[in-house]
Amino acid sequence: EDQVTQSPEALRLQEGESSSLNCSYTVSGLRGLFWYRQDPGKGPEFLFTLYSAGEEKEKERLKATLTKKESFLHITAPKPEDSATYLCAVQAGASGSRLTFGEGTQLTVNP
Amino acid sequence: NAGVTQTPKFRILKIGQSMTLQCTQDMNHNYMYWYRQDPGMGLKLIYYSVGAGITDKGEVPNGYNVSRSTTEDFPLRLELAAPSQTSVYFCASSYIIAGVNEQFFGPGTRLTVL
Repeated sequence: EDQVTQSPEALRLQEGESSSLNCSYTVSGLRGLFWYRQDPGKGPEFLFTLYSAGEEKEKERLKATLTKKESFLHITAPKPEDSATYLCAVQAGASGSRLTFGEGTQLTVNP
Repeated sequence: NAGVTQTPKFRILKIGQSMTLQCTQDMNHNYMYWYRQDPGMGLKLIYYSVGAGITDKGEVPNGYNVSRSTTEDFPLRLELAAPSQTSVYFCASSYIIAGVNEQFFGPGTRLTVL
C-alpha cells in the first residue's frame, strides 16, 4: 500500500526565516511526486511535479527536491502570503492514475 | 478557461436526504476525480473516471455514486446522507504527460449533514 507522511504537521515562521517541509513516501515504482498549495476554503493549487531522484524544481521562493525516499519543499525568505497548507502526493506505477496524498503541513508566516 | 467548476459551494442536508454535487471542466481532460477532505486530513479518493462511460471506485466509495456521460461533467451522487458524509468535496481533472498525472482541482463543496 502506498504511504505518504508529511512533517511537521504545522510550522510557524517569522518573515524571512527559511525552512523546509518534508514528505516521506513508500510506494512501489514512483511515477511522480506532486506538491500542492491549499489556501483556507480553496481547492489545492498545483505547484510542482518531480519525476526521479535528484530532480529539483523552483518557483519564486519555493524549491522542491526529491530523493528515493523523500521530498523536501524548501522555502527561502518566506513572506506572509506564503502561509497555506502544503500537500504532497505520489503516483505509483501500480496505482495507475490514482494519487495518494499526505495530510499536509500547515505553514504560517508571521510578519 | 474556467478550469474545474463545482456547484453548490455550500449545502446542508438532513439525514436520509439525497443530493448531487456537480463538477464540470473545460480543459478537455479525460481523467476526473472526486475526493473528500476531512479537517486536518489529506484527500481521500471516492471515485474516478478515465473517460466518458468509464468509472471506478477509489478508497472510500461507500454511500456515493457517480456517472460520466460526457467528457466535461462528472457528478457525484449522495444517497441517504449520513453525518459521516459531512466533509469538503473536491473534484479534479487531469491529463497524462509521459504517464504522469498532474491533477487540477475545483474550489470545493462544503457539505454538512445534520
